[in-house]
Amino acid sequence: EAQVTQNPRYLITVTGKKLTVTCSQNMNHEYMSWYRQDPGLGLRQIYYSMNVEVTDKGDVPEGYKVSRKEKRNFPLILESPSPNQTSLYFCASSSSRGYSNQPQHFGDGTRLSIL
Amino acid sequence: DAKTTQPTSMDCAEGRAANLPCNHSTISGNEYVYWYRQIHSQGPQYIIHGLKNNETNEMASLIITEDRKSSTLILPHATLRDTAVYYCIVRSNAGNQFYFGTGTSLTVIP
Repeated sequence: EAQVTQNPRYLITVTGKKLTVTCSQNMNHEYMSWYRQDPGLGLRQIYYSMNVEVTDKGDVPEGYKVSRKEKRNFPLILESPSPNQTSLYFCASSSSRGYSNQPQHFGDGTRLSIL
Repeated sequence: DAKTTQPTSMDCAEGRAANLPCNHSTISGNEYVYWYRQIHSQGPQYIIHGLKNNETNEMASLIITEDRKSSTLILPHATLRDTAVYYCIVRSNAGNQFYFGTGTSLTVIP
């Protein structure tokens, strides 16, 4: 089954404790992206990747890092999490590069709470 | 900056057509319009997309105005399961970034 898998689904942690949210897709997609969703603000793009070893900032990249060492994986790293990063996070992927008209497939989300 | 504008909420009677509008007045010639929906806090689900022509699939129809500054998503026979937040999205000029609007919360009423 074609899917985007995020882990963990839920996490409660404390300020400053480094954490990584993993994202994996089994569709051989080149394009992957991370979003955060907050009440009243919709989904905002954090980082995206056009292909292996190619990453770029989205609208709200501050406080986050990403890496794309393999095509299927696109982890989101919070080096020093803060309470304002408490949010619902989604990973997405799509085939080919962003210039194509292929829609994105989304994971089920990761709910992070930073205390 | 916001790329799309949608009404905050709408109601629709079950069995009726739901017409969800979206304004994208700054859209450029090679940008597509996409529609997704999100049920509760699940991952957004792709519905349909288009460039210039009207499009139809098993889920919905997409009507794009001739000047491409607005579009309408049509759910022909709304069911209770169509209650969700619907997002109208325009792909950026660079083709790499996606700007989600605030979405329209559609409630289908029995």
